[in-house]
Amino acid sequence: GENVEQHPSTLSVQEGDSAVIKCTYSDSASNYFPWYKQELGKRPQLIIDIRSNVGEKKDQRIAVTLNKTAKHFSLHITETQPEDSAVYFCASKRDSNYQLIWGAGTKLIIKP
Amino acid sequence: DAGVTQSPTHLIKTRGQQVTLRCSPKSGHDTVSWYQQALGQGPQFIFQYYEEEERQRGNFPDRFSGHQFPNYSSELNVNALLLGDSALYLCASSLDSRAGGGYEQYFGPGTRLTVT
Repeated sequence: GENVEQHPSTLSVQEGDSAVIKCTYSDSASNYFPWYKQELGKRPQLIIDIRSNVGEKKDQRIAVTLNKTAKHFSLHITETQPEDSAVYFCASKRDSNYQLIWGAGTKLIIKP
Repeated sequence: DAGVTQSPTHLIKTRGQQVTLRCSPKSGHDTVSWYQQALGQGPQFIFQYYEEEERQRGNFPDRFSGHQFPNYSSELNVNALLLGDSALYLCASSLDSRAGGGYEQYFGPGTRLTVT
């Protein structure tokens, strides 16, 4: 069945450095790839998304890249800050499927 | 503009009981999806409601059922509760693509269900 693999499961970076989280999807028909941030005890928040007709999208310190050939997409966070500490989830979706297929999550720790 | 709301915030039930959770979608949205999130794991899709009907279901037993009302709000019902049903239950709302929406889903704060 369809699945999304997410790596690493935990990522610890120094404040101010960059963080990269990677996901691989199995369904070549997937065409929508969102990223969610979930702080402890709170709801998942959509932080950025990308569609398959675009290779890269940026929003201030956050960017997502998509490689359709390799079926990879990545989240890049630059100039990390303490408030970036959270669990990040990637997901994918195809047109004919109403549900999002989720990765297992990455716990991002920003060290002061 | 109200975001997605859920009630109650927390709930404690006993094994075998039944529970009803409620969700009001973001203003302008017409679709509600329900998820179960166990501690330390990602959200697991339960089902999605659109036009007052369940249009897709995840790998959950029939003990999990739902409803969508004409105002787009939704309920999740779980019967014969098991200890393993303890989790955070999230609803997410979206606007169907036929109504001009994209695929973005916005989550409510969740209901923390504890089964003892």
